[in-house]
Amino acid sequence: ELKVEQNPLFLSMQEGKNYTIYCNYSTTSDRLYWYRQDPGKSLESLFVLLSNGAVKQEGRLMASLDTKARLSTLHITAAVHDLSATYFCAVDKDTGTASKLTFGTGTRLQVTL
Amino acid sequence: GAVVSQHPSRVICKSGTSVKIECRSLDFQATTMFWYRQFPKQSLMLMATSNEGSKATYEQGVEKDKFLINHASLTLSTLTVTSAHPEDSSFYICSARDSLGPVYEQYFGPGTRLTVT
Repeated sequence: ELKVEQNPLFLSMQEGKNYTIYCNYSTTSDRLYWYRQDPGKSLESLFVLLSNGAVKQEGRLMASLDTKARLSTLHITAAVHDLSATYFCAVDKDTGTASKLTFGTGTRLQVTL
Repeated sequence: GAVVSQHPSRVICKSGTSVKIECRSLDFQATTMFWYRQFPKQSLMLMATSNEGSKATYEQGVEKDKFLINHASLTLSTLTVTSAHPEDSSFYICSARDSLGPVYEQYFGPGTRLTVT
């Protein structure tokens, strides 16, 4: 059974600081996703990482993937309050004709002034 | 960009009644859609994969007779929660894959919050 774990589960950080969220998964997969969820809302896609060594950046967020270590990171640079949300990573369960996602536990990020 | 809608966005029903939730792909065709459930402060759990024109595939532990899925067209999948009970109260989110798009791309709907009283 594929397991996806994130840490930390909760992160309180000050504006302007840097931090990294980690996503570990238990079986081989070639695709790793990061999503953002605001309270009461659905998911917003942030990144899709498709291969070992992939790195993607958007604004203050940067995601990377190491398929050999089964690890992805989401790095936050100079956090701002607007980044407060819950962040999920997700991994493909199958890599055939459809993408079935297994989600991580989620990391609730709170950026304080 | 690809848009997925869900209807209703919120529903309150009485215990024992059935509730139908619709998931529509608005500007693309989706042979495959997915239904997820999210309890408060928890992660998303895949319930089932909905395939156009065929039976849905349910994840382990999900009762197929309780959560009826119909994917009768390339743009619509429905989830019916039958004989709903308070423990079925949850946030239900669907996603859809563009039949002509890359296999890794999924588009999520805005979710339906179900409260069973």
